[in-house]
Amino acid sequence: GAVVSQHPSWVICKSGTSVKIECRSLDFQATTMFWYRQFPKQSLMLMATSNEGSKATYEQGVEKDKFLINHASLTLSTLTVTSAHPEDSSFYICSARDLGFDNSPLHFGNGTRLTVT
Amino acid sequence: GQNIDQPTEMTATEGAIVQINCTYQTSGFNGLFWYQQHAGEAPTFLSYNVLDGLEEKGRFSSFLSRSKGYSYLLLKELQMKDSASYLCAALDSNYQLIWGAGTKLIIKP
Repeated sequence: GAVVSQHPSWVICKSGTSVKIECRSLDFQATTMFWYRQFPKQSLMLMATSNEGSKATYEQGVEKDKFLINHASLTLSTLTVTSAHPEDSSFYICSARDLGFDNSPLHFGNGTRLTVT
Repeated sequence: GQNIDQPTEMTATEGAIVQINCTYQTSGFNGLFWYQQHAGEAPTFLSYNVLDGLEEKGRFSSFLSRSKGYSYLLLKELQMKDSASYLCAALDSNYQLIWGAGTKLIIKP
């Protein structure tokens, strides 16, 4: 089945530093990847839609200058949390859908738990 | 607006059956997904329904009624490992996923 690899699984960083999270589709191509954030005991919140070769589409309230998204190829999208602060500590999850199948299921990476101290 | 409703929490007994309901209102409809999410982990795909009726997959079944905007996930022979959150998500006319808040299922021995 389709596999999405997300790295790192967890990261601890100091306030003010930047953190990059990678999301790769291992056995399929994805024109579009999705970045979610989930706070403890809350539901998934879509942050942005990453589009290969073009700018990401951000959801309302998500700062595009703070959460930089790059989707340079059909198998890789990156999310960079710039100048991280403790309130950015959360579980970040990427997902992707197989190219050409709009109604195929989203396959999720294992998530990245970010702790900002 | 677009909306997904599902119960916040349910409790069931090991070995029993539980049905988790989901109602949706979306701009267009291209199918409904169910995902399972264990605490601290990413969601995993369980089922997809786009036509009316019941889809059975082992101990899990999913039902859809498009006319009623309603779906349910049926879990049989419950096991302790089924304790998780179950997320309902509908695909709208733009093929965007609209997520429910999830139903936390607690299984008791």
